[in-house]
Amino acid sequence: DAGITQSPRHKVTETGTPVTLRCHQTENHRYMYWYRQDPGHGLRLIHYSYGVKDTDKGEVSDGYSVSRSKTEDFLLTLESATSSQTSVYFCAISEDKNYGYTFGSGTRLTVV
Amino acid sequence: QQQVKQSPQSLIVQKGGISIINCAYENTAFDYFPWYQQFPGKGPALLIAIRPDVSEKKEGRFTISFNKSAKQFSLHIMDSQPGDSATYFCAASGGYQKVTFGIGTKLQVIP
Repeated sequence: DAGITQSPRHKVTETGTPVTLRCHQTENHRYMYWYRQDPGHGLRLIHYSYGVKDTDKGEVSDGYSVSRSKTEDFLLTLESATSSQTSVYFCAISEDKNYGYTFGSGTRLTVV
Repeated sequence: QQQVKQSPQSLIVQKGGISIINCAYENTAFDYFPWYQQFPGKGPALLIAIRPDVSEKKEGRFTISFNKSAKQFSLHIMDSQPGDSATYFCAASGGYQKVTFGIGTKLQVIP
């Protein structure tokens, strides 16, 4: 998607290993979000950021941490991956919290 | 607590028919109601959005109807086409409330 890139697109990792997913934007938007998407649960917010070094928890933040040291980058880290974290992860950006989101293409993470 | 309830979860419509997806919300602080369209293997994409100062917004074949008193809003897809087959999410946000998504509706338009 134009202006927002997620990496990697696919990853398989073992239980207990750390994993970092990257979201990069070129839109200079203030807000960045990490969601996970699972069948039957829709999109659930993990963490979000409202500025450099300003982050807050979402509804499913346990087991995840984030960092935003630059406007354009928002990192999601699974400190010790578990099978329950197998999911598709989406990053999103927005100019303001009450405006439309632009989503990335997603990262499919499998924890074995 | 599900702040935005979306129905149905799946929908099959014949080509040329009208697809209707409904959402209901609870929080009266919500003042922005977008709909997203997601194709398999892709991220959701903003389709159309409405704010509560109007009761309807139309963009091409897509229309949002908004009923503030009932706290409901719906997406209508006129002349549905096979290319409209996707998952649709409603959402709501406002004030200090972050965006809350509905659970999604998988639409299949059959020829």
